[in-house]
Amino acid sequence: NAGVTQTPKFQVLKTGQSMTLQCAQDMNHEYMSWYRQDPGMGLRLIHYSVGAGITDQGEVPNGYNVSRSTTEDFPLRLLSAAPSQTSVYFCASSSERARDTGELFFGEGSRLTVL
Amino acid sequence: GEDVEQSLFLSVREGDSSVINCTYTDSSSTYLYWYKQEPGAGLQLLTYIFSNMDMKQDQRLTVLLNKKDKHLSLRIADTQTGDSAIYFCAERETGGFKTIFGAGTRLFVKA
Repeated sequence: NAGVTQTPKFQVLKTGQSMTLQCAQDMNHEYMSWYRQDPGMGLRLIHYSVGAGITDQGEVPNGYNVSRSTTEDFPLRLLSAAPSQTSVYFCASSSERARDTGELFFGEGSRLTVL
Repeated sequence: GEDVEQSLFLSVREGDSSVINCTYTDSSSTYLYWYKQEPGAGLQLLTYIFSNMDMKQDQRLTVLLNKKDKHLSLRIADTQTGDSAIYFCAERETGGFKTIFGAGTRLFVKA
């Protein structure tokens, strides 16, 4: 059971570079989201999507773009990396089926360092 | 907007009970959750409670919900060293998917 798969697990960027964090889920979940985790600040929601073709901003969207062309994939793009984007990024998915509790299923995280 | 607050650290001795507290702001939240994060891993759901419940017990875990004070707590009985982790309180918006997390409480269990 793959669940939520994130790549890469580790990445080092220079300031100004762009990159894409990949996220894929095989549970046919409607909802997908990206969080960043920073010490003392917990998880903060960056962007989320309630279905293919639909995305919305979370608490800290600046500097990030997302798209949802398929149910399975939800990539996060850093347009011009800044040191403030050094963080651990988590992708999570959920479903709204009647039996479900809204539990979020998390990937293992992508640790990004921007120099 | 929604906000979830919890203390950052808790230290207990092995065998004692641990109580992790959380306050939230969205009184209309339908689901409230406790997630556990072990070192180097993603979060996993530990337990949850519906907003129409006051208490939920699951083996060593007891969740208490005080809706009037918007206070949620997680009690771990007979705490073990394997319980050392970060525990996140979270609330899910009513009628939607968005889930807002607290900063996480790091639980240290001393042998």
